[in-house]
Amino acid sequence: NAGVTQTPKFQVLKTGQSMTLQCAQDMNHNSMYWYRQDPGMGLRLIYYSASEGTTDKGEVPNGYNVSRLNKREFSLRLESAAPSQTSVYFCASSEAPLTGYEQYFGPGTRLTVT
Amino acid sequence: AQTVTQSQPEMSVQEAETVTLSCTYDTSESDYYLFWYKQPPSRQMILVIRQEAYKQQNATENRFSVNFQKAAKSFSLKISDSQLGDAAMYFCAYRSTAGNMLTFGGGTRLMVKP
Repeated sequence: NAGVTQTPKFQVLKTGQSMTLQCAQDMNHNSMYWYRQDPGMGLRLIYYSASEGTTDKGEVPNGYNVSRLNKREFSLRLESAAPSQTSVYFCASSEAPLTGYEQYFGPGTRLTVT
Repeated sequence: AQTVTQSQPEMSVQEAETVTLSCTYDTSESDYYLFWYKQPPSRQMILVIRQEAYKQQNATENRFSVNFQKAAKSFSLKISDSQLGDAAMYFCAYRSTAGNMLTFGGGTRLMVKP
């Protein structure tokens, strides 16, 4: 099992450009999450999907959109990138949303917006 | 809203010695989950240990144990017999039983000296 995979690993964008970060998990998990990690800080939740067909805002959703394409895939879209969105983005998944089950994280995508 | 505070930006320990990382949190809830995650230079987030708030017994995982003080809202991580591979950022995280969001502390960078 690959666990949680993310593409791309690195990306440089110019202000105003758009892009989609891809995430896939092969653990048959119901819930998936997108976080961002800024330098010297912990992760902050952008959006999550408790189950296929549902998405909800997290702590810092402004400037992002998400799509839960199917049970395996959860994408994050930046419509018009801004320098403030320079960060490392992590996707995660868990078996169930309302339990103590751990979240499994992908390797992250380092995004720089110039 | 819940907050998680890690007051030690950096800690250092000699190989084979014991080190304790501190974490405090603020919540009005009585039932919740607490986690310690390790983030090595590879950026991969790895779950170290988990504690359910309703359990009085402190969780242990091999060389890792916690001191959970519910009344004081404190959740420290003790690493015994430190190894070079323990060098990483360590994040404390909180999750409500009613929610999906992990709230992270700012992290503690642990250095292990040979």
